[in-house]
Amino acid sequence: AAGVIQSPRHLIKEKRETATLKCYPIPRHDTVYWYQQGPGQDPQFLISFYEKMQSDKGSIPDRFSAQQFSDYHSELNMSSLELGDSALYFCASSQSRGRQETQYFGPGTRLLVL
Amino acid sequence: GESVGLHLPTLSVQEGDNSIINCAYSNSASDYFIWYKQESGKGPQFIIDIRSNMDKRQGQRVTVLLNKTVKHLSLQIAATQPGDSAVYFCAETPSGGSYIPTFGRGTSLIVHP
Repeated sequence: AAGVIQSPRHLIKEKRETATLKCYPIPRHDTVYWYQQGPGQDPQFLISFYEKMQSDKGSIPDRFSAQQFSDYHSELNMSSLELGDSALYFCASSQSRGRQETQYFGPGTRLLVL
Repeated sequence: GESVGLHLPTLSVQEGDNSIINCAYSNSASDYFIWYKQESGKGPQFIIDIRSNMDKRQGQRVTVLLNKTVKHLSLQIAATQPGDSAVYFCAETPSGGSYIPTFGRGTSLIVHP
């Protein structure tokens, strides 16, 4: 079965650089979520989109922005990168927006900021 | 030096034993709970969920128990296998408003053959 695809899988950036992470949801899923997970930490919700509109907003820094495109893929844009942005970034998708919609997670993008 | 959060609670069991992973949730208004399994280098994977109008739900080899009085959730894994080794997270979703579950602190399960 098709799963959530994330690219790139690994990314190394310097401080103050920018990065763009991409997420391709499971086909026919219209809701996408972004999470950040530091070492040994639980996933922290950043932002979500439903039908190409921002749906919920979590602890996403102002330096980050995201959007969902007409084909439902999503991109997380990160600017002025800081050392503390080094983390795993997960994208998840669900069939719709709802409290009991199962989120299916992608394999993550490991970002290292030097 | 050490950093807070790098050392997860750990449960070590022998293959074939039953495992119980516990979770205390914070929001008494939460009415939907999920257990996720996260293997090394992978994203969290849904295991089982439970609504607050239930106190027990069973899946294949897994059982979730919910005690709303003390805001406690547990995941029981029967006949634990080496492939069960992973970090397990519980997540809670409050009633009304946000659809986003809040993850709790993970527990690392290590299964010894």
